[in-house]
Amino acid sequence: ILNVEQSPQSLHVQEGDSTNFTCSFPSSNFYALHWYRWETAKSPEALFVMTLNGDEKKKGRISATLNTKEGYSYLYIKGSQPEDSATYLCASMEYGNKLVFGAGTILRVKS
Amino acid sequence: DAGVIQSPRHEVTEMGQEVTLRCKPISGHNSLFWYRQTMMRGLELLIYFNNNVPIDDSGMPEDRFSAKMPNASFSTLKIQPSEPRDSAVYFCASSFSAGKNGYTFGSGTRLTVV
Repeated sequence: ILNVEQSPQSLHVQEGDSTNFTCSFPSSNFYALHWYRWETAKSPEALFVMTLNGDEKKKGRISATLNTKEGYSYLYIKGSQPEDSATYLCASMEYGNKLVFGAGTILRVKS
Repeated sequence: DAGVIQSPRHEVTEMGQEVTLRCKPISGHNSLFWYRQTMMRGLELLIYFNNNVPIDDSGMPEDRFSAKMPNASFSTLKIQPSEPRDSAVYFCASSFSAGKNGYTFGSGTRLTVV
């Protein structure tokens, strides 16, 4: 069974702080890594899909990196804002298989 | 595009009753997924379809759960008979081309079985 782990479980930061979370996944048979942002009372929204070792993707103040050889991905948020408060999910997919989600990192940004 | 549409948004039913959840994927997406979200287990994949064909239903908890996709624009998840432990939020998601642009999730159906 594919096991995707995220840390920390939750994070409280002040507005303006930069922060990062970790996602670890089995590196064998890797196909793709997804990051989603999930706001309370809404549905998960795709941020990034990465497939290649060394991939880096950016969307505004949010960026992500991927290391498929060691099985981890980092999500960075620069200058956190209250509207960044959400649960950030990562999910890993093996070849020919389904997307398996981690438990998520809950981010709360205080103004 | 209206996105992935799920109905109903909320369902409260009595134990033993049949429950049917509905999903309309994004037009043109060829994969559809049913997920269940609980506090204990997070987002779990129940079943997914490619081109309307069920590919992997290993996540379906018991025979009480069944899912169909009669055509590219509609899928149902049925629980019969329902039990209190089925209470959860059920999400439907769709994607195109193995999800290389990510999955698009519906708003979910919050099911409460009393």
